[in-house]
Amino acid sequence: DGGITQSPKYLFRKEGQNVTLSCEQNLNHDAMYWYRQDPGQGLRLIYYSQIVNDFQKGDIAEGYSVSREKKESFPLTVTSAQKNPTAFYLCASSMVAGEDYNSPLHFGNGTRLTVT
Amino acid sequence: AQKVTQAQTEISVVEKEDVTLDCVYETRDTTYYLFWYKQPPSGELVFLIRRNSFDEQNEISGRYSWNFQKSTSSFNFTITASQVVDSAVYFCALSEVGFYNQGGKLIFGQGTELSVKP
Repeated sequence: DGGITQSPKYLFRKEGQNVTLSCEQNLNHDAMYWYRQDPGQGLRLIYYSQIVNDFQKGDIAEGYSVSREKKESFPLTVTSAQKNPTAFYLCASSMVAGEDYNSPLHFGNGTRLTVT
Repeated sequence: AQKVTQAQTEISVVEKEDVTLDCVYETRDTTYYLFWYKQPPSGELVFLIRRNSFDEQNEISGRYSWNFQKSTSSFNFTITASQVVDSAVYFCALSEVGFYNQGGKLIFGQGTELSVKP
């Protein structure tokens, strides 16, 4: 079955350490996204990528970095510069076909990161 | 600026009751898309519906229905005869049709947590 795989589901890190969250999709989607979800809040966009080797900052990119070396993969690194890294992180993908830049997002199951 | 407001933080109903989740949005664009997503306890968001700004027809899908009213900038979601499996957090989202590098960006509301009790 096609889908988006995020790993691990739970991640624990000490403050000051960088950590990388994995996101892989086999939907053959061009675009991929990282969102952050905090309790009682909606999702906020961290980074997105429309094509391989290109990505754009979202609304809360500070303290995060990404790469898009392969179409299937869009890893997110939470750096020590991120002041409040503890959150639920969701990866998503979508088609970018013709003019339909607003095709629905498909989401992974998320990674819950706890930094102490 | 774009904004989506879901004023209801939590709703609790008893099974078989009807329930409406409110969504109000703000945008300066005349062309945009609205979405509803469901987030069950497992965490992933499940796409429910997409509506573009030129299509104000209400939509029904089984027990789910959506009421889009541009005059009040609202896109409300009703579940008829609710079931325990409907318990989840529901998000309304807005996407503006813009340049290529803006495509696919969603602005989410805060979410409404629906609890359906047996």
